[in-house]
Amino acid sequence: DIVMTQSPFSLAVSEGEMVTINCKSSQSLLSSGNQKNYLAWYQQKPGQSPKLLIYYASTRQSGVPDRFIGSGSGTDFTLTISDVQAEDLADYYCLQHYSSPYTFGAGTKLELK
Amino acid sequence: EVQLVESGGGLVQPGSPLKLSCAASGFTFSSNWLNWIRQAPGKGLEWVASINPDGSSTYYPDTVKGRFVVSKDNAKNTGYLQMNNLRSEDTAMYYCARTWLTGNWGQGTLVTVSS
Repeated sequence: DIVMTQSPFSLAVSEGEMVTINCKSSQSLLSSGNQKNYLAWYQQKPGQSPKLLIYYASTRQSGVPDRFIGSGSGTDFTLTISDVQAEDLADYYCLQHYSSPYTFGAGTKLELK
Repeated sequence: EVQLVESGGGLVQPGSPLKLSCAASGFTFSSNWLNWIRQAPGKGLEWVASINPDGSSTYYPDTVKGRFVVSKDNAKNTGYLQMNNLRSEDTAMYYCARTWLTGNWGQGTLVTVSS
């Protein structure tokens, strides 16, 4: 099974700051067939279902602000949020869908400093 | 507009069965994988089942394998999660989601397993 190690567990930020959230997988998520990394990032606000931000590690979902940037390949991935806004305060999760069992990271709580 | 609407949750006793439904609209249901994900109160996300577009292949993590059965009725545009021998640790919000790359999730249905 692929283990997703997400860090940090929580992050306190001020509006306008830049933050990075990391996810490390125990096996490569890069498909040799299409050279895509099967890694997604989700945002979840209280009482809401998760919202897809990034798929294939770096492709922004339609409508997602360009301050959300996904990067990385293989086993190491990063979600960067530049110029954090109050509306970005939420929980963030990475997901590997390279192979079953599909696994999420433990989550990162983004809070206001 | 793509919509996924879960139903069937509720309060059940340990050892009981429960069947969840996921009604889909706004896309070609028969051409899409369907995933089920759960979230225990105050906890993170956990994948619990997936089914391929024509329903011929299903996948589960070890935590639910042998107890949960995922299915889909493409004629009714509806997916199902049959949960048997429920345990207290199955208490969670259950979401259905269209194939991972689309970002379409339902709002969830709450399952509480308690005596």
